[in-house]
Amino acid sequence: GAVVSQHPSRVICKSGTSVKIECRSLDFQATTMFWYRQFPKQSLMLMATSNEGSKATYEQGVEKDKFLINHASLTLSTLTVTSAHPEDSSFYICSASGGLGLQVFFGPGTRLTVL
Amino acid sequence: AQSVTQLDSQVPVFEEAPVELRCNYSSSVSVYLFWYVQYPNQGLQLLLKYLSGSTLVKGINGFEAEFNKSQTSFHLRKPSVHISDTAEYFCAVRIMDTGRRALTFGSGTRLQVQP
Repeated sequence: GAVVSQHPSRVICKSGTSVKIECRSLDFQATTMFWYRQFPKQSLMLMATSNEGSKATYEQGVEKDKFLINHASLTLSTLTVTSAHPEDSSFYICSASGGLGLQVFFGPGTRLTVL
Repeated sequence: AQSVTQLDSQVPVFEEAPVELRCNYSSSVSVYLFWYVQYPNQGLQLLLKYLSGSTLVKGINGFEAEFNKSQTSFHLRKPSVHISDTAEYFCAVRIMDTGRRALTFGSGTRLQVQP
């Protein structure tokens, strides 16, 4: 299957700093990318959907000014957690789909810990 | 809106025993159905999916699932589990409207295979 990578796999930062997470589709063009957040022992919750070259669509309750998403190319989407706080600590997972997009491919996730 | 219910948060089972992980969904429109597996600190891997056709779907690692439209269920089964099957399993749905490709996940079921 297609490969989606995320970088970094783990990040620890101080409260108040910003953190950027990259999501790349390595062998296909991802017209749509999704960002999910997963708290410990919980399910994945969709944060936002981004289409290449356009603004992301955020789910209800997700602050778009806090979670900045950029999908500038068909192979790269970034999620920036601005002014991170301990409650933002979570596992962030991206997924990508291309073409008709019946199947989405998931990245390995990024563990964010805010001290 | 659609929702997914996984009634069992944990399922302990002995090695080589059969297992069934339950999934029920609710949706006002037709959906595609998926099962994903997540190993610790990793992203999601697709086990199997139901798009159309035969209601019995076979996936990787010996898993299969049966779509029951009248009961709105998509239970996952394996006739004989291995220690390596210990992981978190997520059922997910996606509506058939290609304009919305995001998945809605259940809360997950932790399968614990004991020797």
